Amino acid sequence: ETGVTQSPTHLIKTRGQQVTLRCSSQSGHNTVSWYQQALGQGPQFIFQYYREEENGRGNFPPRFSGLQFPNYSSELNVNALELDDSALYLCASSTWTGGDETQYFGPGTRLLVL
Amino acid sequence: AQSVSQHNHHVILSEAASLELGCNYSYGGTVNLFWYVQYPGQHLQLLLKYFSGDPLVKGIKGFEAEFIKSKFSFNLRKPSVQWSDTAEYFCAVNGNTDKLIFGTGTRLQVFP
Repeated sequence: ETGVTQSPTHLIKTRGQQVTLRCSSQSGHNTVSWYQQALGQGPQFIFQYYREEENGRGNFPPRFSGLQFPNYSSELNVNALELDDSALYLCASSTWTGGDETQYFGPGTRLLVL
Repeated sequence: AQSVSQHNHHVILSEAASLELGCNYSYGGTVNLFWYVQYPGQHLQLLLKYFSGDPLVKGIKGFEAEFIKSKFSFNLRKPSVQWSDTAEYFCAVNGNTDKLIFGTGTRLQVFP
């Protein structure tokens, strides 16, 4: 186990709704990254937070947003859900050192949009 | 833009067979390279990583990988697989950012 936890484990929403996913980092880690893993694909980088600021973003629209809290836990929010948002959402924590970080992943939240 | 290619989408082996999974990346600068494994029903786990130094990297559970800079490759190997190695394997790279770029994964099935 990595010490990274995510909630909920599974979620079903309908198109147009909003969803919030949560992540608790491994103790001592100050950086959180979020990834989307569609069925049969590798994880795709959504964004990263370091010290409560966004520190890089992948090719995802603005309706994907996030927060990092002072205790380094994090939220991923998705507005106006679309069917293609159905995926496994992964959170990974690390300690920012300027390039040689190892990311440790949580178990993921499986989101189904109907 | 960085990208990662994993040539084998699905590999089927018998126990004790040798394994080699291909991974090639495209990025012109210094890279860090990773192999992650996802066992059925479990989360992504780090198998091994290369940051610098000896290009032959040893990881957990008897896996190793070799970084060949001239070929932009980081192939994963294991001399003798076990049924418990059945899983999905992902190669990943990061360049000058902390963003991990993953390949599409290789599904390995090992039969007793």
